[in-house]
Amino acid sequence: DQQVKQNSPSLSVQEGRISILNCDYTNSMFDYFLWYKKYPAEGPTFLISISSIKDKNEDGRFTVFLNKSAKHLSLHIVPSQPGDSAVYFCAASHGSSNTGKLIFGQGTTLQVKP
Amino acid sequence: DVKVTQSSRYLVKRTGEKVFLECVQDMDHENMFWYRQDPGLGLRLIYFSYDVKMKEKGDIPEGYSVSREKKERFSLILESASTNQTSMYLCASSLLFYNEQFFGPGTRLTVL
Repeated sequence: DQQVKQNSPSLSVQEGRISILNCDYTNSMFDYFLWYKKYPAEGPTFLISISSIKDKNEDGRFTVFLNKSAKHLSLHIVPSQPGDSAVYFCAASHGSSNTGKLIFGQGTTLQVKP
Repeated sequence: DVKVTQSSRYLVKRTGEKVFLECVQDMDHENMFWYRQDPGLGLRLIYFSYDVKMKEKGDIPEGYSVSREKKERFSLILESASTNQTSMYLCASSLLFYNEQFFGPGTRLTVL
């Protein structure tokens, strides 16, 4: 049972435009969400996170929105740059666990065209 | 900067061989994790460890075992490699009670 889902395997946008990556989850116990970015032949790197007590978190060009009632989060990248082309994974955890275990989605491949 | 290193970037093994994948982190993290990444399936947790000599099964532990004899080192063992274990293997670490995991560069394992 996939508790974290990224239903769009790929997304293509023009440089300078907005990229919106979506993620849905099923477990209402999740209270912390993260986005990771992965280039080919490298490990994922942490991008941005959000706690369930917030509905928005911003870091430069990256903003994550959380809609708890819909169990949905999204990552906005504005403006998109060719260097943003990568695979993006969303991940979720619940705070009752002290193991730091994350549940990852399937990933969305973003291509930003010059 | 946190550094997580993995012993090999690329590895080719034969069916039935015993395979060891090593991971070392240099930031005194309590938690360590092994994932495999396959197209369309994302990152799936194989095993994790929150302390030396402690281990817990993840979502897909079958065919794998792990060893954590020292805090900084977490090994993944394929007892008898099979072709369906051809994959990208990623190691990660994190502080206890913290969610952010730091990943190594990955090992691309091919089993022939």
